Amino acid sequence: DGGITQSPKYLFRKEGQNVTLSCEQNLNHDAMYWYRQDPGQGLRLIYYSQIVNDFQKGDIAEGYSVSREKKESFPLTVTSAQKNPTAFYLCASSIRDLTNTEAFFGQGTRLTVV
Amino acid sequence: QKEVEQNSGPLSVPEGAIASLNCTYSDRGSQSFFWYRQYSGKSPELIMFIYSNGDKEDGRFTAQLNKASQYVSLLIRDSQPSDSATYLCAVFARSGSARQLTFGSGTQLTVLP
Repeated sequence: DGGITQSPKYLFRKEGQNVTLSCEQNLNHDAMYWYRQDPGQGLRLIYYSQIVNDFQKGDIAEGYSVSREKKESFPLTVTSAQKNPTAFYLCASSIRDLTNTEAFFGQGTRLTVV
Repeated sequence: QKEVEQNSGPLSVPEGAIASLNCTYSDRGSQSFFWYRQYSGKSPELIMFIYSNGDKEDGRFTAQLNKASQYVSLLIRDSQPSDSATYLCAVFARSGSARQLTFGSGTQLTVLP
């Protein structure tokens, strides 16, 4: 079945560590997005990519990094520079122009700093 | 920075009533508008999208778009307890080569049995 898969579902990070969240899609979508959601809040855009080997910063990119070496994959690294990384992270994908279609979401990764 | 504003709620309605959710956006170049429903701890799921001025109906849901007023709404008729969730408004806009999907903070809806 086509879809978008995030892993792991739960992730624990010690302070000062970098961690990488995986996002894979087999929908043949050009665009992929990473959002962060804090309790009781909406989704804030971290990074997005419209095409392989290209990505742009969103509203809260500091402390995060991404790569887009393959169309299917858009991993997010939470670096030690991100001072408050505990949150729910959502990856989404879509065709490039969302004029008459939707973005599809993965199931999310819940990251906790211990 | 593009902004999408929603009343955070909580909004409570009795079962069978109409729930009305509102969203305003700042970017006049916005092209398409989405309503997602999110249950606690889950990822958002699409209810419907709209890109032309006017109303769009899908079952119990009606989306209304007014680009002149930069306003989009979602009406839920015959509300059910299973509709209790957070409703996220999202706006897609193109600016040059950039294409961005921006979300509001969500409105928490509770339907009382």
